[in-house]
Amino acid sequence: NAGVMQNPRHLVRRRGQEARLRCSPMKGHSHVYWYRQLPEEGLKFMVYLQKENIIDESGMPKERFSAEFPKEGPSILRIQQVVRGDSAAYFCASSPTTGRTDTQYFGPGTRLTVL
Amino acid sequence: GDSVTQMEGPVTLSEEAFLTINCTYTATGYPSLFWYVQYPGEGLQLLLKATKADDKGSNKGFEATYRKETTSFHLEKGSVQVSDSAVYFCALTGSSNTGKLIFGQGTTLQVKP
Repeated sequence: NAGVMQNPRHLVRRRGQEARLRCSPMKGHSHVYWYRQLPEEGLKFMVYLQKENIIDESGMPKERFSAEFPKEGPSILRIQQVVRGDSAAYFCASSPTTGRTDTQYFGPGTRLTVL
Repeated sequence: GDSVTQMEGPVTLSEEAFLTINCTYTATGYPSLFWYVQYPGEGLQLLLKATKADDKGSNKGFEATYRKETTSFHLEKGSVQVSDSAVYFCALTGSSNTGKLIFGQGTTLQVKP
């Protein structure tokens, strides 16, 4: 059973460009979480999605960031008009169910560098 | 709000030494507690978890006990190896029902031969 897949693994963008990060959850998992890890910091929750629904976006910046998890295909985290402060590692995690006891399985991350 | 505090690193040990990484938390309700490990350039892997007070999680020689009275979940290992060198994150599921994880800042462990 393949793990959580993320692509690209590394992404370089210039200021003002758009970044699209993809996440394919583990087979059978319908719950997807996105986290951001800034340099030398822990991971911060961004958004939680189920198929076709955003359940909790309390950690998403109010502007330029959006996420989706369509009925078919991977989950997408989209960052418009990137700025240097967006440089970070973005991790996706998936779980088969949701709840306080459930384990989340993490992908390898996408490392975004904004020049 | 809910939060996790870990001891600051880096922690440097010799091979076969005893390891403790402290983790304390603040939370409403009854969170579950997790330790994740991150090797260089990789994503996080679950190391162990505990879902209620007095539970002990264990895996690969690592252990942690959910102590509600001291709001702690310290990670221990009796004899570390060079291959244990990594960043260790303590985390909890917050008071929401969505299962989102709240992480500590991470502790870097370096084990020398």
